[in-house]
Amino acid sequence: AQSVAQPEDQVNVAEGNPLTVKCTYSVSGNPYLFWYVQYPNRGLQFLLKYITGDNLVKGSYGFEAEFNKSQTSFHLKKPSALVSDSALYFCAVRDGIYNQGGKLIFGQGTELSVKP
Amino acid sequence: SQTIHQWPATLVQPVGSPLSLECTVEGTSNPNLYWYRQAAGRGLQLLFYSVGIGQISSEVPQNLSASRPQDRQFILSSKKLLLSDSGFYLCAWSVGVRDTIYFGEGSWLTVV
Repeated sequence: AQSVAQPEDQVNVAEGNPLTVKCTYSVSGNPYLFWYVQYPNRGLQFLLKYITGDNLVKGSYGFEAEFNKSQTSFHLKKPSALVSDSALYFCAVRDGIYNQGGKLIFGQGTELSVKP
Repeated sequence: SQTIHQWPATLVQPVGSPLSLECTVEGTSNPNLYWYRQAAGRGLQLLFYSVGIGQISSEVPQNLSASRPQDRQFILSSKKLLLSDSGFYLCAWSVGVRDTIYFGEGSWLTVV
């Protein structure tokens, strides 16, 4: 069964510093990995994905993530954090199984707080 | 371009009353459709998914049901709401089973 773990409930960084939000996954086949961001009282916004190809993927708002197969990780990164990046971040994996709808399995979420 | 609409945005319902949340997708055909619930502002739980008209799969036993009367319409219902049905409900869609799933803006349900 697919699963995703986000080991940190909260990450605090100062504005201008680099940030990392951690994610590890467990899948039985090829991983289809995603990051989403959620602002208060809003739906989830897609940030970036890894389906195949380059291990470093770039996404919206200057975010990037590195797929590491040996460590089964897909950590989200940004070189310089902004106060406006403060939000709830979710890592997720799709099971890629058609007759199960390609369900998206989420981690528990990490609250990112960027202080000025 | 594709868009997803979800309504109502906010709903306050008494215990025992019925529920209907509606979701429609524009700009695509035969999407996979999903209902998720987010409780306590954090964890996301898949409730139902549908790979075609009239095809509904339930992930967890509960007081809710889903229907897909048209290709791009997905409805979440209950005959009698419970307090524990309160939460933030998110509709989502995708094409295929490997690419991005896109979410609506959500519906806040408070059962009182």
